[in-house]
Amino acid sequence: KQEVTQIPAALSVPEGENLVLNCSFTDSAIYNLQWFRQDPGKGLTSLLLIQSSQREQTSGRLNASLDKSSGRSTLYIAASQPGDSATYLCAVRDDYKLSFGAGTTVTVRA
Amino acid sequence: NAGVTQTPKFRVLKTGQSMTLLCAQDMNHEYMYWYRQDPGMGLRLIHYSVGEGTTAKGEVPDGYNVSRLKKQNFLLGLESAAPSQTSVYFCASSRQGGSYEQYFGPGTRLTVT
Repeated sequence: KQEVTQIPAALSVPEGENLVLNCSFTDSAIYNLQWFRQDPGKGLTSLLLIQSSQREQTSGRLNASLDKSSGRSTLYIAASQPGDSATYLCAVRDDYKLSFGAGTTVTVRA
Repeated sequence: NAGVTQTPKFRVLKTGQSMTLLCAQDMNHEYMYWYRQDPGMGLRLIHYSVGEGTTAKGEVPDGYNVSRLKKQNFLLGLESAAPSQTSVYFCASSRQGGSYEQYFGPGTRLTVT
């Protein structure tokens, strides 16, 4: 059974600092890994999707890396802003479903 | 395109009542899913469907039933609601399995008293 862990569970940083969010998974037989953002009481916003054959994906200030053999992914958010405050979830895809981590709740202080 | 839509957005039930949540997608996707999210936890798969007329159990299927009579719709039923089913329910769809991305609906917040 796939287990997905996100550490830390919560993170507070001053505005402008770079954010580093970690995700680990136990079974490396995945098709892809996806990072989501969730605002309180809201749905999921997909941020980045990394296919298993890829090492990283970038979108604006966001960069996600994937090391499938070691079961790790890292989401980097450059020059954080208060608007980046949210919970970030990672999820790995096997043949039919996503397995989610519990998320990292980020607070960016102005 | 509306993408993935869910009805209703909010609902309060009393213990023992029944209800059906509706998920609709307009992307002609084969695969559809129902997840639940509880506080401090990631999403967990309840049931899924790999095509019209087919359904299968996920990680936490007890107390729920599903139907996929039309390709674009996936229904989640609670026959006798329990307080443990208080949660936020998300529907998702994808073109196929494997490497295809899943697209999520906005969620349904259900409270069972």
